[in-house]
Amino acid sequence: DTAVSQTPKYLVTQMGNDKSIKCEQNLGHDTMYWYKQDSKKFLKIMFSYNNKELIINETVPNRFSPKSPDKAHLNLHINSLELGDSAVYFCASSQGGGGSGELFFGEGSRLTVL
Amino acid sequence: QKEVEQNSGPLSVPEGAIASLNCTYSDRGSQSFFWYRQYSGKSPELIMFIYSNGDKEDGRFTAQLNKASQYVSLLIRDSQPSDSATYLCAVKSPQEAYKYIFGTGTRLKVLA
Repeated sequence: DTAVSQTPKYLVTQMGNDKSIKCEQNLGHDTMYWYKQDSKKFLKIMFSYNNKELIINETVPNRFSPKSPDKAHLNLHINSLELGDSAVYFCASSQGGGGSGELFFGEGSRLTVL
Repeated sequence: QKEVEQNSGPLSVPEGAIASLNCTYSDRGSQSFFWYRQYSGKSPELIMFIYSNGDKEDGRFTAQLNKASQYVSLLIRDSQPSDSATYLCAVKSPQEAYKYIFGTGTRLKVLA
């Protein structure tokens, strides 16, 4: 039973298209995240939600729009895709901001923009 | 200056040796530090976290923290080929409770 699951795992699309990635966690965590990992393995935070409230919004183009319908789900919609958006997008969750703060990652969604 | 810095490697060590992975961070107020392991094509998984100065041991892994030098390291004793992976250092932001800042990772190769 996967703790943090993302769909789709692979996404190949043309420039200019719009795409969405979905994430669900069954750990009962309050906080969910989107991270982007580029080809050099740099894992950069994009957004974080705590109990459906946006708490971290890094300098990300407004073509990226997260949405959290409830605390177990966090989706990412990307408009007008560009070549530079090609990366692996990881969803993660944690139990609040305190404590050990361990992040539990999904398997990643590899986005390729042609 | 990057917030969390790691040598990208690859760091190559023979099987059975000690692998030493290093990480420096820029924010002196940082309190919580994490080491994640990421196999190629997989997601990161937590190995250890450390909050206090000194050493913390868990099996073959030892995390070392020196807040005065803003330095955290991970030692892997008796390295195995299965330890070959990218090791990511992460620091929890002292200003934003939910923000974890990652280094670029060090690729470790353990040679059989």
